[in-house]
Amino acid sequence: QVQLVESGGGVVQPGRSLRLSCAASGFTFSSFGMHWVRQAPGKGLEWVAVISFDGGTKNYADSVKDRFTISRDNAKNTLYLQMDSLRPEDTAAYYCVKRYSGGWYYFDYWGQGTLVTVSS
Amino acid sequence: QSALTQPASVSGSPGQSITISCTGTSSDIGGYNYVSWYQHHPGKAPKLMIYEVNNRPSGVPDRFSGSKSGNTASLTISGLQAEDEADYYCNSYTSSTTLIFGGGTKLTVL
Repeated sequence: QVQLVESGGGVVQPGRSLRLSCAASGFTFSSFGMHWVRQAPGKGLEWVAVISFDGGTKNYADSVKDRFTISRDNAKNTLYLQMDSLRPEDTAAYYCVKRYSGGWYYFDYWGQGTLVTVSS
Repeated sequence: QSALTQPASVSGSPGQSITISCTGTSSDIGGYNYVSWYQHHPGKAPKLMIYEVNNRPSGVPDRFSGSKSGNTASLTISGLQAEDEADYYCNSYTSSTTLIFGGGTKLTVL
């Protein structure tokens, strides 16, 4: 079965960096685009970024563009999110999400999330 | 870009029908048919209920349906059941080649 396991979250000071990882299993990772989606405490879902199956195409939400970098290692079945210049408003649970087979605009499997807290 | 606009809450009694609206702009909902809806029970992973405006993934009951008119998409749940109580989020592709969620709607089954 599909499993997505995020790691790397924690407490970090504003302006610092953090890298999240997502270990994928149960499907052919190298064949699917992947997303990061976040949810701030008590708030709704916010799409963060997407990467194509081969890593050749990446897109970002305006709120994280030029600060966050999505990447993948298909040999390791792992998705990454490098987060630089972190702000308090980046505090959220970050979810690794597999694209739906019916199109990259949709999500089917989600990880359990990893919590990032940006605070001094 | 601001989130798509959804009502904060809707409610209905078992067996009734409810509709959740999702309003955007011509740069997202109005410009593309890449609208989806997700059901989110707290503590569980969100579930894809509708994609491409009005398509249901395998396993989603036909009580759930989607539509779109202009810049507004809608999710209708007919024959409301207790287990439908959850948060619902719309999502759309945008002209900036990004995705955007609605603010979410809490559905209460009375």
